[in-house]
Amino acid sequence: GQQVMQIPQYQHVQEGEDFTTYCNSSTTLSNIQWYKQRPGGHPVFLIQLVKSGEVKKQKRLTFQFGEAKKNSSLHITATQTTDVGTYFCAGPDGNKLVFGAGTILRVKS
Amino acid sequence: DGGITQSPKYLFRKEGQNVTLSCEQNLNHDAMYWYRQDPGQGLRLIYYSQIVNDFQKGDIAEGYSVSREKKESFPLTVTSAQKNPTAFYLCASSMGGTPEFFGPGTRLTVL
Repeated sequence: GQQVMQIPQYQHVQEGEDFTTYCNSSTTLSNIQWYKQRPGGHPVFLIQLVKSGEVKKQKRLTFQFGEAKKNSSLHITATQTTDVGTYFCAGPDGNKLVFGAGTILRVKS
Repeated sequence: DGGITQSPKYLFRKEGQNVTLSCEQNLNHDAMYWYRQDPGQGLRLIYYSQIVNDFQKGDIAEGYSVSREKKESFPLTVTSAQKNPTAFYLCASSMGGTPEFFGPGTRLTVL
């Protein structure tokens, strides 16, 4: 079945540093979605990318969808303590989503 | 307010007991999902339902059962056959093919 791999598993950064998490699918995706889960909370939808090579920005967050629609990245510029949490990518597989294992981000102030 | 509710927030169960977790949504979504999350881990799909009176097994369905008698409700039963049930259980819904909205989750602990 379809697999979605995400790296790194864990990253600890100093406040103000940048952060990037990468997502790779074993198959071509019709779209890719990103979610954020705060510690102790539930996943919250951030964004969906649909087009090949698409780039979308949300304030300090930049999302990219690869040209082949098999990989994606989330980049955070100048991290803040409010960015802590786990970031998941997910791609559709029929009627369900396949989630990556997530990247845990910790920010030192 | 539209959303997804899960109850209870915390649940304790003795070994050998069945327990049912509630999930209700008023978003008029057709599809509903149950995930399990272990500490520091990702989301694993237990069951999902695209329409009332129909549901499919996910990746880790053994030891769990569901029903979908109403569009708004998708309860999950953790049976005594589930060998390691202590986990964080998340319910989600979507229109099918659209982003999923998650409930606040239920933390189940087996004593």
